[in-house]
Amino acid sequence: GEDVEQSLFLSVREGDSSVINCTYTDSSSTYLYWYKQEPGAGLQLLTYIFSNMDMKQDQRLTVLLNKKDKHLSLRIADTQTGDSAIYFCAETYSGAGSYQLTFGKGTKLSVIP
Amino acid sequence: DTEVTQTPKHLVMGMTNKKSLKCEQHMGHRAMYWYKQKAKKPPELMFVYSYEKLSINESVPSRFSPECPNSSLLNLHLHALQPEDSALYLCASSQDRLARGTETQYFGPGTRLLVL
Repeated sequence: GEDVEQSLFLSVREGDSSVINCTYTDSSSTYLYWYKQEPGAGLQLLTYIFSNMDMKQDQRLTVLLNKKDKHLSLRIADTQTGDSAIYFCAETYSGAGSYQLTFGKGTKLSVIP
Repeated sequence: DTEVTQTPKHLVMGMTNKKSLKCEQHMGHRAMYWYKQKAKKPPELMFVYSYEKLSINESVPSRFSPECPNSSLLNLHLHALQPEDSALYLCASSQDRLARGTETQYFGPGTRLLVL
């Protein structure tokens, strides 16, 4: 079945770059997503990449996709304390003519001032 | 505008109470979702509505009853809940879920539910 794996914790110093990694199993994924969840809040769609792209950049965020290795990463440049949150990697998969999301377990990013 | 709103923000209820959670979007999306999220876990899909019809029920107990009165609104009716049902309930919507390229989901802020 579909499976998305992420490391659970990452700690970085303010001003450094953060790299959060994710692996997935479904080669027919259409989109791959990064959602951010701050404590007590809902999920905020940060960015996403279509499966036929290798890279997407959006201000401080860079998403890299290696389809051969089924590996997705999110790089946050100049990490700030406000970036402290849980980051969920997710993929959409197609089943019975419709699309559903599968989430990873989430990576908790802690930014040290 | 990619906003999904949910009310109430917090809810405390006893095991014999009946309450409802509400979700609203005005993006013209035709797919709406209920998820349950326990602490330190990813969201778990509960129900999916597509074009106001229930498409998916992920074996959710009948004490949770979804309703989609129109294309902008989604309700979750709660009755005789158990303490283990305490969680963050998230609503999401997507443009569609039947056509490739329309399935990106946008989430609301959630309702934090505590069952005593």
